[in-house]
Amino acid sequence: GAVVSQHPSWVICKSGTSVKIECRSLDFQATTMFWYRQFPKQSLMLMATSNEGSKATYEQGVEKDKFLINHASLTLSTLTVTSAHPEDSSFYICSASRQASSYEQYFGPGTRLTVT
Amino acid sequence: DAKTTQPTSMDCAEGRAANLPCNHSTISGNEYVYWYRQIHSQGPQYIIHGLKNNETNEMASLIITEDRKSSTLILPHATLRDTAVYYCIVSANTGNQFYFGTGTSLTVIP
Repeated sequence: GAVVSQHPSWVICKSGTSVKIECRSLDFQATTMFWYRQFPKQSLMLMATSNEGSKATYEQGVEKDKFLINHASLTLSTLTVTSAHPEDSSFYICSASRQASSYEQYFGPGTRLTVT
Repeated sequence: DAKTTQPTSMDCAEGRAANLPCNHSTISGNEYVYWYRQIHSQGPQYIIHGLKNNETNEMASLIITEDRKSSTLILPHATLRDTAVYYCIVSANTGNQFYFGTGTSLTVIP
């Protein structure tokens, strides 16, 4: 149990276009989902926290108008990178948390975004 | 910001126990200690977590000091597939944002 999927697994887009990444919890209801970004040889950086039916909470320095997050249901969150530029190229990872006594997170396999 | 510090890298001989330390001296009373690992270009994989008691599961053991300021993840019989970056994270049971530190890159040597 506790499987999280992401789609697509990789995407290449042209500069100036927008890209949508989906994160789904396959076998549980996720009360909270999280989005991370990871540059090569670096650690994961939390971008935002998303609760179903409410606006996402963004970490300091993350542009909410550039990284649009929608958490429309208890099993789906989407991250849209708007007007992507080469510096947005990164590994984007989501995680989902189900309400339990210890709130562990289950991570998706990640999406590799390359902006040309 | 991450509240943990870990050694940057460690080596371990295949078949031996791998002991990965983590310092979290500012941990709060309601914060759990979580361990995850990340194999190259994959999402992090959950290993184990604990609050104050030592924990064991099929993957590893977690030893938390009595003052909770540090912990050690033990992989009892390391295999080549255990080569990965291991992250120690502390997070409260409300809100539960994870702030990753730099982690420990473990290399299991044949």
